[in-house]
Amino acid sequence: DIQMTQSPSSLSASVGDRVTITCRASQGISNYLAWYQQKPGKVPKLLIYAASTLQSGVPSRFSGSGSGTDFTLTISSLQPEDVATYYCQKYNSAPFTFGPGTKVDIK
Amino acid sequence: EVQLVESGGGLVKPGGSLRLSCAASGFTFSSYSMNWVRQAPGKGLEWVSSISSSSSYIYYADSVKGRFTISRDNAKNSLYLQMNSLRAEDTAVYYCARASPPRYCSSTSCPDYWGQGTLVTVSS
Repeated sequence: DIQMTQSPSSLSASVGDRVTITCRASQGISNYLAWYQQKPGKVPKLLIYAASTLQSGVPSRFSGSGSGTDFTLTISSLQPEDVATYYCQKYNSAPFTFGPGTKVDIK
Repeated sequence: EVQLVESGGGLVKPGGSLRLSCAASGFTFSSYSMNWVRQAPGKGLEWVSSISSSSSYIYYADSVKGRFTISRDNAKNSLYLQMNSLRAEDTAVYYCARASPPRYCSSTSCPDYWGQGTLVTVSS
């Protein structure tokens, strides 16, 4: 099975900072990669699918890139409401594995 | 408005069984693949199972294969997860989640709407 890893596991940044999270697949998955945001105590929310397509209603400060095995989620200007854990998920074929998550908070 | 409401969680002893249900509304249930995703206390998301719109394709995580069974009743707009031979490590919040429309994700997963979850606790 394809394994999904994320780095870093956590980060602390200042409001307005550019934040980048990396997701890596152990084998190529083309662009079948989604990103989710889970705020504390809340349900996960789909942010990005097809590696780079923003889900409707998601702020434009979020962006995704990558293909094959290496992917990134970028928050161009971190806001207080972005405090959350971010997960990637591969969906090219089962098992539809999630990455271990990256916890983002404000410095 | 899309709504997914899970039920059936609770406390069960190791080796026991539980059946989760998910009532869907606000969309044409029979046109969408559906998923179960779980989250152990303080841990990350774990995909559990997916079922296509007509039940033709069903997938399971290795951790639950042979013990859990996903099913759906399109006439009742409902998704189910039959969980047998439960273990302590199955303790988690179980989310019902709708797969994104095929024109977006072309997959039985890639959930775009999630329920609030139901807690399953396996303990003696």
